[in-house]
Amino acid sequence: DGGITQSPKYLFRKEGQNVTLSCEQNLNHDAMYWYRQDPGQGLRLIYYSQIVNDFQKGDIAEGYSVSREKKESFPLTVTSAQKNPTAFYLCASKGSGMNTGELFFGEGSRLTVL
Amino acid sequence: SQKIEQNSEALNIQEGKTATLTCNYTNYSPAYLQWYRQDPGRGPVFLLLIRENEKEKRKERLKVTFDTTLKQSLFHITASQPADSATYLCALDSTGGGNKLTFGTGTQLKVEL
Repeated sequence: DGGITQSPKYLFRKEGQNVTLSCEQNLNHDAMYWYRQDPGQGLRLIYYSQIVNDFQKGDIAEGYSVSREKKESFPLTVTSAQKNPTAFYLCASKGSGMNTGELFFGEGSRLTVL
Repeated sequence: SQKIEQNSEALNIQEGKTATLTCNYTNYSPAYLQWYRQDPGRGPVFLLLIRENEKEKRKERLKVTFDTTLKQSLFHITASQPADSATYLCALDSTGGGNKLTFGTGTQLKVEL
């Protein structure tokens, strides 16, 4: 089945450690996104990529990094510079040529910093 | 500053009634607006998209209206069922190019028997 797969679903990290969240899609979508969701807040855009080897900062990119070496993959690294990394992270993709198209989301990764 | 506002208080209604959720926005001129459903611990799922030149859109028991003068969208679920209980998010494109959706905080709907 086509879709977006995020892993791991749950992740615990000690302060000062970098962690990488995986996002893979087999929908043949060009655009991919990372959002962060905190309780009582809407989804906030971290980074997005419209094409392979290119990505742009979203509204809260500080402390995060991404890469887009393959169309199918858009991993997010939460670095030790991120001051409050505990959150629910959502990856999404959107079909090309559809600038008003829907976002397809993964099931999310919940990161907890101990 | 740009804002998307949804009622943060949960909406409780009885089964069979119509649920109406509100999305208000300021300092946006969106070409379209989207609604998503999110269940606890899961990713949002797309429901409907309405364009600025459309007043109303329907899909089965769902209806969305879009008033660009009032800067408001209303999302209706008719003949609501307990299975409709979830958080509903509205989203706007903040760039005009369709590449950067900004989401509201969502409204939790609870449909009781």
